[in-house]
Amino acid sequence: EIVLTQSPGTLSLSPGERATLSCRASQSVSSNYLVWYQQKPGQAPRLLIYGASIRATGVPDRFSGSGSGTDFSLTISRLEPEDFAVYYCQQYGSSLLTFGGGTKVEIK
Amino acid sequence: EVQLEQSGAEVKKAGESLKISCKGSGDSFNRYWIGWVRQMPGKGLEWMGMIFPADSDIRYSPSFEGQVTISADKSISIAYLQWSSLKASDTAIYYCARRNYAGHFDYWGQGTLVTVSS
Repeated sequence: EIVLTQSPGTLSLSPGERATLSCRASQSVSSNYLVWYQQKPGQAPRLLIYGASIRATGVPDRFSGSGSGTDFSLTISRLEPEDFAVYYCQQYGSSLLTFGGGTKVEIK
Repeated sequence: EVQLEQSGAEVKKAGESLKISCKGSGDSFNRYWIGWVRQMPGKGLEWMGMIFPADSDIRYSPSFEGQVTISADKSISIAYLQWSSLKASDTAIYYCARRNYAGHFDYWGQGTLVTVSS
């Protein structure tokens, strides 16, 4: 089973700042199969990025994903108030899926 | 528009059985994998397993195999998650989600809160 480790656990930033979140895999993940979700309190997760770098429908272009192999990242270029949330990466290989532990982006 | 409607919150005692549901509407429910994801209080997301309703092919996460049963009734576009004997540690929100052809979860249900008292 591929283990995804996200860092940092919590990111304290101000609106307008840049956020960079990391997702590291215990073994190589196909870029096609690396996904990022956003979850706000009391809500279901929302698909943000798939294929490591493709924004889902309706996702603002301040969100971008990159990476390959075992190292992936999600960048929010300029934080808006609605971006403060928890972000999860997820991979799927063969029939097994795993999520990272999440990074909470909080208002400083 | 695709919608996944989950059954309501449940409060149960340890040792009781439970079956929660996820009803699909919109685009053809039976042609996609439907996954189940657990979120324990204040914790992250854990993939439990998934089912392809058209033929009831099921895949379980090793962490959940034998602990829960996933099933579906394709005639009414519903997927189920059930427990034969609940534990207090099963207290969590359970989400269903549609896995699209590219392999990721693009639509999610609203979640079902299951509270198990000891």
